[in-house]
Amino acid sequence: NAGVMQNPRHLVRRRGQEARLRCSPMKGHSHVYWYRQLPEEGLKFMVYLQKENIIDESGMPKERFSAEFPKEGPSILRIQQVVRGDSAAYFCASSPSSGGASTDTQYFGPGTRLTVL
Amino acid sequence: LAKTTQPISMDSYEGQEVNITCSHNNIATNDYITWYQQFPSQGPRFIIQGYKTKVTNEVASLFIPANRKSSTLSLPRVSLSDTAVYYCLVGNYGGSQGNLIFGKGTKLSVKP
Repeated sequence: NAGVMQNPRHLVRRRGQEARLRCSPMKGHSHVYWYRQLPEEGLKFMVYLQKENIIDESGMPKERFSAEFPKEGPSILRIQQVVRGDSAAYFCASSPSSGGASTDTQYFGPGTRLTVL
Repeated sequence: LAKTTQPISMDSYEGQEVNITCSHNNIATNDYITWYQQFPSQGPRFIIQGYKTKVTNEVASLFIPANRKSSTLSLPRVSLSDTAVYYCLVGNYGGSQGNLIFGKGTKLSVKP
């Protein structure tokens, strides 16, 4: 059973370009979470999605950032018109369910390191 | 979700037992305590989770006193490969409250 897959592992963009980060959850997992981590900091929650639904986007910046988890295919975190401050590691996690089971564990992918020049 | 406080860093030597304590004074009745481990350039990895008393698995033990306002992660006989950042998280992750709140964690350095 493959773990959470993220690609690309490293992404370099110039200011103003778009960045697309992909996440394939573990098989059988229908819940996806995106986090951002700055150097020497803990992970910060961005968005929580289920298939075709955004459940909680309270951690997403109001502009330029969007996320989706289509019926088919990976979840995508999209950053438009990137700026240097977007440089960070972006982690995706998945869990099998979130229907009241307090002990559902989130499994993390290896992350995508975005560098904005 | 309850806020947690843990030491910024700890040093240890190979073969020693390491105990990392986390304070969570505002823990709610339905909150669980979860610990994650993160190596450089990798995503966090689940270590252990508990609600009260003691939980043990093949990697670590988790001690939770009766008032649940703190918890201690115990790593037996650490090795160099245990050098990592350890995060303590508290919350009820069920339902729509799916996000995890990470602090800065405890940076454990294991020396030979």
